[in-house]
Amino acid sequence: KAGVTQTPRYLIKTRGQQVTLSCSPISGHRSVSWYQQTPGQGLQFLFEYFSETQRNKGNFPGRFSGRQFSNSRSEMNVSTLELGDSALYLCASSLTTGRNTEAFFGQGTRLTVV
Amino acid sequence: GNSVTQMEGPVTLSEEAFLTINCTYTATGYPSLFWYVQYPGEGLQLLLKATKADDKGSNKGFEATYRKETTSFHLEKGSVQVSDSAVYFCALDAGGTSYGKLTFGQGTILTVHP
Repeated sequence: KAGVTQTPRYLIKTRGQQVTLSCSPISGHRSVSWYQQTPGQGLQFLFEYFSETQRNKGNFPGRFSGRQFSNSRSEMNVSTLELGDSALYLCASSLTTGRNTEAFFGQGTRLTVV
Repeated sequence: GNSVTQMEGPVTLSEEAFLTINCTYTATGYPSLFWYVQYPGEGLQLLLKATKADDKGSNKGFEATYRKETTSFHLEKGSVQVSDSAVYFCALDAGGTSYGKLTFGQGTILTVHP
């Protein structure tokens, strides 16, 4: 079956702009989580959506937002981009959440802010 | 809060050498523990997992045992190959209301030379 698909793979944006990243989870998966990966901070949790509801949120400013559609596809948006937002953004999907649930990751979107 | 600490890298080994990557965690309750691997330009792939104390996760020759008494989940492989060169991440899922949130260690870069 198809894996987690993230689009686009690469993005270059200018400081102050906004950006939208997309994630299509594995068919049947209802939970989608987003992570930011940087060399300095490592992998940090942004938020999680399940059945179109945000159930969990990490410690990021309000410029970072997301949503999930009825088909479980998810988007995240970053407004007023800053240089420090340059990172690899990873999406993960799972059937549900819980102790024995495996998260499947996409290849990520590499965002560069100039 | 929850946290994961991995041994400082990078780790450089010759083919067929023994590998250990240390991982310790801090968490309340009984988290599930994971090792993920990231190859260049790729997302994260689940390598192995353990959901309760004394469980041993294993996959592709890699093993890790959930040690609650030492709060550790060290990754081992008896004979590494060049193809094992990648970044390895230890992670925990605290369960409960930590919906979809994995807490990751900083990652350990492994390079295996022929």
